[in-house]
Amino acid sequence: GDSVTQTEGPVTLSEGTSLTVNCSYETKQYPTLFWYVQYPGEGPQLLFKVPKANEKGSNRGFEATYNKEATSFHLQKASVQESDSAVYYCALGDYNVLYFGSGTKLTVEP
Amino acid sequence: DPKIIQKPKYLVAVTGSEKILICEQYLGHNAMYWYRQSAKKPLEFMFSYSYQKLMDNQTASSRFQPQSSKKNHLDLQITALKPDDSATYFCASSQEPGANTGQLYFGEGSKLTVL
Repeated sequence: GDSVTQTEGPVTLSEGTSLTVNCSYETKQYPTLFWYVQYPGEGPQLLFKVPKANEKGSNRGFEATYNKEATSFHLQKASVQESDSAVYYCALGDYNVLYFGSGTKLTVEP
Repeated sequence: DPKIIQKPKYLVAVTGSEKILICEQYLGHNAMYWYRQSAKKPLEFMFSYSYQKLMDNQTASSRFQPQSSKKNHLDLQITALKPDDSATYFCASSQEPGANTGQLYFGEGSKLTVL
């Protein structure tokens, strides 16, 4: 079945440093890949999506490339801010179902 | 203002009882979903509905029953509650069915604690 595996958290960084959250997936289909972000007390919200292999998605300085050969979709940001502190989820869309990874809690210290 | 309203935000129940979680969306979407978030399984898919019809069910237990009385409502009835049911339940919606094509919008969740 479909599954997503991502970097185990938590991750603590200093402001201005770079972030990489690894995500790998398994599927027999041709999925759309997503990154979602969840702030405390809220539901997850879409950060960005990439529907096609070998394309890049980005939003708010975050980016990820859908690497079909490596079945990976790593999240990166060159310089994190304190406001980026949240839980980040990699997700795989298989028609009606969105399969989420386990989430990576990021804390950015000033 | 929240576009997906979930009620109640917090609830406590005793083992063996029954609860209903309410979800209404005001986004004009045609597909609605329930997800569960717990310490054991973060953001686990439960049900998807499209135009008030069940599309997908990945909940093993029949104790969980979604109910759609209107196009923009998808409630979740949980019977014979167990402590393992303790979790935050998120309702979500999308413009059209197909989680792989569009964006899912999530509510703020209903946190259920079963004693």
